[in-house]
Amino acid sequence: DTEVTQTPKHLVMGMTNKKSLKCEQHMGHRAMYWYKQKAKKPPELMFVYSYEKLSINESVPSRFSPECPNSSLLNLHLHALQPEDSALYLCASSKIGQNTGELFFGEGSRLTVL
Amino acid sequence: GQSLEQPSEVTAVEGAIVQINCTYQTSGFYGLSWYQQHDGGAPTFLSYNALDGLEETGRFSSFLSRSDSYGYLLLQELQMKDSASYFCAVGMNTGFQKLVFGTGTRLLVSP
Repeated sequence: DTEVTQTPKHLVMGMTNKKSLKCEQHMGHRAMYWYKQKAKKPPELMFVYSYEKLSINESVPSRFSPECPNSSLLNLHLHALQPEDSALYLCASSKIGQNTGELFFGEGSRLTVL
Repeated sequence: GQSLEQPSEVTAVEGAIVQINCTYQTSGFYGLSWYQQHDGGAPTFLSYNALDGLEETGRFSSFLSRSDSYGYLLLQELQMKDSASYFCAVGMNTGFQKLVFGTGTRLLVSP
């Protein structure tokens, strides 16, 4: 199984809503990532978890709250978002300890904030 | 910070060879990766150069020259399905893969 599964695929929310994005992988990868991608732009790193602990937060606003409940799951909790947060949110995973340059990405969750 | 520049768009015909360049201003990176992303799809890994030189993977080859701060992806025997966006990315960390992506190149393959 070489899949990273993200749900939901599409999400529309208002600025006062609370929602969560979910990501799951069963490849035994111990590093998991959240990237944000705007249209016609490259993915931008938001968070990195290694061994279920937050290793990198790229100065992301606190209205985005990541969570890694176990080695297979990664969540991104969303609260009080702004319209400019509308984007494709990509989850990825990788092995730790091997510099292969390879991330396994999910298909993403396309978020629209009204 | 890191900066990786790519041409915004490249066009080619089926069966041709195309080269997508990546020039960077960064240091201390561990390798250069290439990813393909079709519209609405996930980025998928194509190739990785840890060392200078050419890496070949089927129809795709990738090259890195650290002394020239330059790399490229070479696609041979182009097919319509190769129409996609292509991103170079540098790996900034050992252990896990902290990747910083280039600006991206949209490849359009015509019949």
